[in-house]
Amino acid sequence: DAGVTQSPTHLIKTRGQQVTLRCSPKSGHDTVSWYQQALGQEPQFIFQYYEEEERQRGNFPDRFSGHQFPNYSSELNVNALLLGDSALYLCATLTRQGAGNTIYFGEGSWLTVV
Amino acid sequence: GNSVTQMEGPVTLSEEAFLTINCTYTATGYPSLFWYVQYPGEGLQLLLKATKADDKGSNKGFEATYRKETTSFHLEKGSVQVSDSAVYFCALRGVQGAQKLVFGQGTRLTINP
Repeated sequence: DAGVTQSPTHLIKTRGQQVTLRCSPKSGHDTVSWYQQALGQEPQFIFQYYEEEERQRGNFPDRFSGHQFPNYSSELNVNALLLGDSALYLCATLTRQGAGNTIYFGEGSWLTVV
Repeated sequence: GNSVTQMEGPVTLSEEAFLTINCTYTATGYPSLFWYVQYPGEGLQLLLKATKADDKGSNKGFEATYRKETTSFHLEKGSVQVSDSAVYFCALRGVQGAQKLVFGQGTRLTINP
């Protein structure tokens, strides 16, 4: 049973560029969330996708956008990168079937903006 | 809004010592509570969870009890090992809205041999 997989694992971008990060959910999971974790900080919720729509959004600017595909996989896009966007980006997935379901995280994508 | 407050770190202990990491929360209703662990350079791994009051979550020798009366979910382990060195995050998932997690600030734990 594959867990949550993310790609790429590490990448370096220049200020002003755009980046796309990818996530494949754990088998059976239909809901994908993205979190940003700055160095030494706790993860912060960016947004969540379910049935290919953004369902909830945290306090992040419109430069952060996403997409969910029919196979439940997801992408996180960040435009006009700033130095402060350097962080670990974590994908988290779960299924909305049943109650009290566990959220599982991927290993993350390390983004460095120079 | 929902929030989680964790014991300030870093915490340094000797091997086989008793561990407590305090966690308190503020939330409406009965949230689900979690402890996640993050090893250096890795993502988050679920350590244990509790979904209702008085539930005890346990895994790998770690335990935490959901205390509604004190709004707490303290993490304990009777005898820590060097391999337990990591950052520990307490988190809650509210009963309303989307399935998002709210995290505490994390506690860095170092176990010395």
